[in-house]
Amino acid sequence: GAVVSQHPSRVICKSGTSVKIECRSLDFQATTMFWYRQFPKQSLMLMATSNEGSKATYEQGVEKDKFLINHASLTLSTLTVTSAHPEDSSFYICSARGAPGQLSYGYTFGSGTRLTVV
Amino acid sequence: TQLLEQSPQFLSIQEGENLTVYCNSSSVFSSLQWYRQEPGEGPVLLVTVVTGGEVKKLKRLTFQFGDARKDSSLHITAAQPGDTGLYLCAGLYNQGGKLIFGQGTELSVKP
Repeated sequence: GAVVSQHPSRVICKSGTSVKIECRSLDFQATTMFWYRQFPKQSLMLMATSNEGSKATYEQGVEKDKFLINHASLTLSTLTVTSAHPEDSSFYICSARGAPGQLSYGYTFGSGTRLTVV
Repeated sequence: TQLLEQSPQFLSIQEGENLTVYCNSSSVFSSLQWYRQEPGEGPVLLVTVVTGGEVKKLKRLTFQFGDARKDSSLHITAAQPGDTGLYLCAGLYNQGGKLIFGQGTELSVKP
């Protein structure tokens, strides 16, 4: 089945620095990737949707200059948290979807990245 | 803004009991999915329901999709400690293909 690899699984960074999270579709081409944020014991909140080769579409209330999303290829999307602050600490999860008609058209989730800003 | 109301948010029961989790919205979904998530991991798909009135079974789990495709339920029969986890419903809206999640139900099954 479709597999999505997310890296790193855990990262600790200092306040004010930037952190990049990678999301790769290993055995299919992801035409669309989604980035979610999850607080402890809470649900997943959609941050943005990205289609390969075009700018990401951000959900209301998500700062596009703070959460930079790049979807430069059909197998890789990155989320960069810029000038991180402690309130950015969270669990970030990506999801990838293949092209319509393909088996990978379902939503496949990565294993998440635990970001801690100190 | 699409909202998906999931209830209850927390549920603690004894092994062998039955339970039902509900997912409701004022919007119509093109499909609805149920996921289970373990701590520190991404959600894992349990089932997708597409047709209004559809019922799907997965061992002791029964999933229903409302006739109007605005609500869904997950029923677990004879819960076991291994069923403990976070259960999430997620609705797919036609616009942009976004998958929107409910608040989640944290289930704890005590032996």
